[in-house]
Amino acid sequence: QVQLQQSGPGLVKPSQTLSLTCAISGDSVSSNSATWNWIRQSPSRGLEWLGRTYYRSEWYNDYAVSVTSRIAINPDTSKNQFSLQLNSVTPEDTAVYYCARRGLGEVFDIWGQGTMVTVSS
Amino acid sequence: DIVMTQSPDSLAVSLGERATINCKSSQSVLLSSNNKNYLAWYQYKLGQPPKLLIYWASTRESGVPDRFSGSGSGTDFTLTISSLQAEDVAVYYCQQYYSTPITFGQGTRLEIK
Repeated sequence: QVQLQQSGPGLVKPSQTLSLTCAISGDSVSSNSATWNWIRQSPSRGLEWLGRTYYRSEWYNDYAVSVTSRIAINPDTSKNQFSLQLNSVTPEDTAVYYCARRGLGEVFDIWGQGTMVTVSS
Repeated sequence: DIVMTQSPDSLAVSLGERATINCKSSQSVLLSSNNKNYLAWYQYKLGQPPKLLIYWASTRESGVPDRFSGSGSGTDFTLTISSLQAEDVAVYYCQQYYSTPITFGQGTRLEIK
């Protein structure tokens, strides 16, 4: 079955870059029918979709307006994974970060285990 | 962006009783060409990823107990738990996938009375 395995640090200093990776098994980051997403959850903001990457003969990205100036989501076809980079973080970026697949059913049907990221000096 | 608004923000229900959570979208999420509502419900428990319960507004995900049901169309939707069990204590989110950016409601915290 499809599984997503997240990795990355749980503590990031203010103004630095948050970097997480999501390794895919049982599916392909280059799939023509899926999109690969990052979503975060915090008590103050609830669930917030951050952005996605997907392949439809070429690569596309979409980002939430709230983070568009400081986010990058990139595929790595050699390792069948995708990554999140969020620059210039502040304590407001403290949250549990999830990667998720949006499949043929168009909903988030497969999720990573989650990474609690704290922004603090 | 489509704004999703849930009510109430929190809810306390006795075991075995019915729980009802409402979700309203700022514009219709019904696609007329296929007559499908692009609305999903998730259950969120601390320390776990969100769990998909309902999609297309009323289709139960495989393995989800039949006490969970979804209804509604257009802009107004409801998640109903017919007989609350202790394991249903969680935060519930509605989500629209009609258009990008995908947006969620603010969440409804469900507790035992």
